[in-house]
Amino acid sequence: RKEVEQDPGPFNVPEGATVAFNCTYSNSASQSFFWYRQDCRKEPKLLMSVYSSGNEDGRFTAQLNRASQYISLLIRDSKLSDSATYLCVVNENNYGQNFVFGPGTRLSVLP
Amino acid sequence: TAGITQAPTSQILAAGRSMTLRCTQDMRHNAMYWYRQDLGLGLRLIHYSNTAGTTGKGEVPDGYSVSRANTDDFPLTLASAVPSQTSVYFCASRKEPGGMYNEQFFGPGTRLTVL
Repeated sequence: RKEVEQDPGPFNVPEGATVAFNCTYSNSASQSFFWYRQDCRKEPKLLMSVYSSGNEDGRFTAQLNRASQYISLLIRDSKLSDSATYLCVVNENNYGQNFVFGPGTRLSVLP
Repeated sequence: TAGITQAPTSQILAAGRSMTLRCTQDMRHNAMYWYRQDLGLGLRLIHYSNTAGTTGKGEVPDGYSVSRANTDDFPLTLASAVPSQTSVYFCASRKEPGGMYNEQFFGPGTRLTVL
């Protein structure tokens, strides 16, 4: 069965904290990887793609470990506005119909 | 730009009734998708269309049908609703069906309750 697993959460952290989310995937042939953000009762939106060499976008850093079939997302200096559910998404053959979504990890950043 | 619109926003439907969820995109994307999202589960693909005139089945197609008469519209029909179809339904689109890092864009969703 196609499977993407994530930290169950929820994560409750104070403003300014650093938080890391983990994701594992079962299909070793998976081609591309993403983190999406979903606010409560809203649609998912792309946060960042995850490249083989790892990539950073401001306070957000994504890492990929193909050997361990593991993806991570690090958020530094958490803001209240970072509160959301973070979805790990794996694409098994680069076709859109093969996006596999994890169940998500909910983050609450507390004042 | 509106992006993707879905209608209705929410609906309560009696079991056994039929319903069509509407999805329209104005980005001229070739590929479109329907997902359902249930608590504790990831989004699951119902049906997809890689280009106008073609459709395919996703992970959970039973009880649903789609059509893709043109590029912009991708309606999802429940022929005879059952309570297990209570869910949040998201329509999505992608510029091309393939490509390593093509983003999927999502509509705002339709909350459907089947009683």
